[in-house]
Amino acid sequence: QSVLTQPPSLSGAPGQRVVIPCTGNSSNLGAGYHVHWYQQIPGTAPRLLIFGNTNRPSGVPDRFSGSKSGTSASLAITGLLAEDEADYYCQSYDGRLSLGVFGGGTKLTVL
Amino acid sequence: QVQLVQSGGEVKKPGASVKVSCQAFGYSLSSYGISWVRQAPGQGLEWMGWISAFNGNTNYAEKFQARLTLTTDTSTSTAHMELRNLVSDDTGVYYCARGGVVVAATDLDFWGQGTPVTVSS
Repeated sequence: QSVLTQPPSLSGAPGQRVVIPCTGNSSNLGAGYHVHWYQQIPGTAPRLLIFGNTNRPSGVPDRFSGSKSGTSASLAITGLLAEDEADYYCQSYDGRLSLGVFGGGTKLTVL
Repeated sequence: QVQLVQSGGEVKKPGASVKVSCQAFGYSLSSYGISWVRQAPGQGLEWMGWISAFNGNTNYAEKFQARLTLTTDTSTSTAHMELRNLVSDDTGVYYCARGGVVVAATDLDFWGQGTPVTVSS
């Protein structure tokens, strides 16, 4: 049972927009800790997609965007491409547990 | 460019210890922290702990507190993760990742390639 909650799977057709939600509580997202998002192609290391709730590292396409409000956050992907098929994880910090926390991950399938 | 290069895969028996290394290239290790994350087969990411390479401060997940030790050696730009008293559930891929130098509550912007650890009798 992950501290941050994500749907196990989502799908979308090429060109569509998908939104991956991440729900926390008052000890993590609701306490003001930032949320970060990672993309993981199976068999490879995770890659940072969004940091500090809304910021994209250099090299990440602007098709990817993040938002956060209260105890919830989301990752939006527009203009879906076949190469976006991957696992996506949200991550934050929990002040009550004093540890970093990940969502359980969302497997995105491009139809 | 920034790279984290991890040591090779390990096979261990239950009760043994494993030590994984993570060598940093392209930046000063002491200017950042290193977090360790593991991934069991077919499962998600699990945060294990963090160490500041500047002052050695650590933050361990309670689950691993008793048997995990994180260290850094700035002379070789290398971070180490030692996990003791291994059980079969420790089987998985272990990643190091670059994070904040002051606190553990930051993003992880560069990751090592992962080190597979298999625990089996």
